[in-house]
Amino acid sequence: AQKITQTQPGMFVQEKEAVTLDCTYDTSDQSYGLFWYKQPSSGEMIFLIYQGSYDEQNATEGRYSLNFQKARKSANLVISASQLGDSAMYFCAMREDTGTASKLTFGTGTRLQVTL
Amino acid sequence: DTEVTQTPKHLVMGMTNKKSLKCEQHMGHRAMYWYKQKAKKPPELMFVYSYEKLSINESVPSRFSPECPNSSLLNLHLHALQPEDSALYLCASSGLAKSPLHFGNGTRLTVT
Repeated sequence: AQKITQTQPGMFVQEKEAVTLDCTYDTSDQSYGLFWYKQPSSGEMIFLIYQGSYDEQNATEGRYSLNFQKARKSANLVISASQLGDSAMYFCAMREDTGTASKLTFGTGTRLQVTL
Repeated sequence: DTEVTQTPKHLVMGMTNKKSLKCEQHMGHRAMYWYKQKAKKPPELMFVYSYEKLSINESVPSRFSPECPNSSLLNLHLHALQPEDSALYLCASSGLAKSPLHFGNGTRLTVT
């Protein structure tokens, strides 16, 4: 069974600073995908970034980058130049392929608070 | 704006009521999902539809009944719910197996 662990229930970062949100995972699959989602207080789950297990380069999307260390089974999210609008809950998730559909298993989340 | 639309945004229902949650996507995705999220918890998968057929049911009680009328629509029929079923219900869709899930804004359900 797949397992996602996020050990930081809450994090604070000052505006314009960078922050790293931790995520470790456990799976026996060779092919898997890792996702990060942002959930503001409004409730919507916003897709941020994806890393495939066979991707050699770390994924980047604008201010978001994923620090993927396969041997350590970690997929940390780095947010650069934090903005007040980045305050939200962040979930790491792992994909399990079930034929044509992806079944996502989520970690417990990290609540990020950006301060002035 | 989200490309997955859920209605209603809020719903309050009694334990004897019958109601339905609706979800619509026009991205051509062939997989659609229902997730349930309790406060301060991660989303938990309920159902997965693939090509309009139910492919995963995560042992959800029968008082929740999903329906996929066509590739763009997904419903969740609710009947005889319990107060502990109060939660945020999220709908999502996805394309190929390697692609991300796109979520709607959710329906906040309160069972009284």
